[in-house]
Amino acid sequence: GENVEQHPSTLSVQEGDSAVIKCTYSDSASNYFPWYKQELGKGPQLIIDIRSNVGEKKDQRIAVTLNKTAKHFSLHITETQPEDSAVYFCAASKEDNNDMRFGAGTRLTVKP
Amino acid sequence: DTGVSQDPRHKITKRGQNVTFRCDPISEHNRLYWYRQTLGQGPEFLTYFQNEAQLEKSRLLSDRFSAERPKGSFSTLEIQRTEQGDSAMYLCASSGQVNTEAFFGQGTRLTVV
Repeated sequence: GENVEQHPSTLSVQEGDSAVIKCTYSDSASNYFPWYKQELGKGPQLIIDIRSNVGEKKDQRIAVTLNKTAKHFSLHITETQPEDSAVYFCAASKEDNNDMRFGAGTRLTVKP
Repeated sequence: DTGVSQDPRHKITKRGQNVTFRCDPISEHNRLYWYRQTLGQGPEFLTYFQNEAQLEKSRLLSDRFSAERPKGSFSTLEIQRTEQGDSAMYLCASSGQVNTEAFFGQGTRLTVV
């Protein structure tokens, strides 16, 4: 089955700097890769997703890149703000497969 | 608020007791998912419904766990004879189509003492 690994487990940056979180997956058939942000006491919230037919997607300060050959994808947050502090999860799933596999999470701290 | 709603938010139970959680998905969503999340880990898939049909179950879902979605709307997750290892956050999510945004509820935090 699919196995998703996520790095780093913790990341601390200064406000205004960029943050990059990386994930690898094992199943080459996976084709949907969402990123979730989870704040304390809340459920995960989708912040951006990418499908295998594109290599990059951007939404304001957030971007995701996908390298299908290497089976890795990354989340990039620019101009970080203290409110970006949270745990971020990557995930991967296959077409018509509802067993979405999550990474272990990255705790991002943005210091003012 | 028309998001995914879970009840209760917190549950403390003694080992060996049965517990039941409820999830109300977004009304127009026909897909409903249950996940379990332990501290410091990502959510782990438990089971999935399309309308009232339970189409997938994870091997994590032992015979002490059962989930239902009788009318294709709300869903319940029951754990019988709870064990300390069942302590976790139980998350429900819903979506309209496969591989589209899954909206998560706030979760039910279960503590088995």
